[in-house]
Amino acid sequence: GQQVMQIPQYQHVQEGEDFTTYCNSSTTLSNIQWYKQRPGGHPVFLIQLVKSGEVKKQKRLTFQFGEAKKNSSLHITATQTTDVGTYFCAGPAGSARQLTFGSGTQLTVLP
Amino acid sequence: DAMVIQNPRYQVTQFGKPVTLSCSQTLNHNVMYWYQQKSSQAPKLLFHYYDKDFNNEADTPDNFQSRRPNTSFCFLDIRSPGLGDAAMYLCATSRKGAFETQYFGPGTRLLVL
Repeated sequence: GQQVMQIPQYQHVQEGEDFTTYCNSSTTLSNIQWYKQRPGGHPVFLIQLVKSGEVKKQKRLTFQFGEAKKNSSLHITATQTTDVGTYFCAGPAGSARQLTFGSGTQLTVLP
Repeated sequence: DAMVIQNPRYQVTQFGKPVTLSCSQTLNHNVMYWYQQKSSQAPKLLFHYYDKDFNNEADTPDNFQSRRPNTSFCFLDIRSPGLGDAAMYLCATSRKGAFETQYFGPGTRLLVL
């Protein structure tokens, strides 16, 4: 079945440093979504990428979708303590109604 | 505000004692999902409903059942909870499916004694 892996699993950064998490799928994805889950919270949708090579920005966050539509990345510039949480990528799996979530990257930002 | 609501937020049950978790939505979305999430892991899909059409994941234990009596409500029944079923249970909705955003409820944390 489809697998979606993320690296790294954990990342500790000093506040102000940049952070990147990478997402790789075993199959081509029609779209990829990114979610953020704060400690003790629930996943919250951040963005969806659809086109090959697409790049989208949300303030300090930059999202990329690979040319082959099998990988994606999320880059945060100048991290802040509010960026703490686990970032998940997710892509369609099986039927068109389901998402397979990546393994997640847990970000800790040290003040 | 339109939202996904889960009750209760915390549930304590005894080993083997049936428990029901509830989810409601005001988004009028077609699809409702139940996920199980254990500590430091990704959400794991248990099953989903597209309208009244129930779809069970192949590896979801028979111990887990679900009901969707109407568009707004969906229930997760755990018939005989084991210690390994202690987890966060997340309900989510989407308008039509995987090409659209999933909106998650706050989750119910289940503790099995």
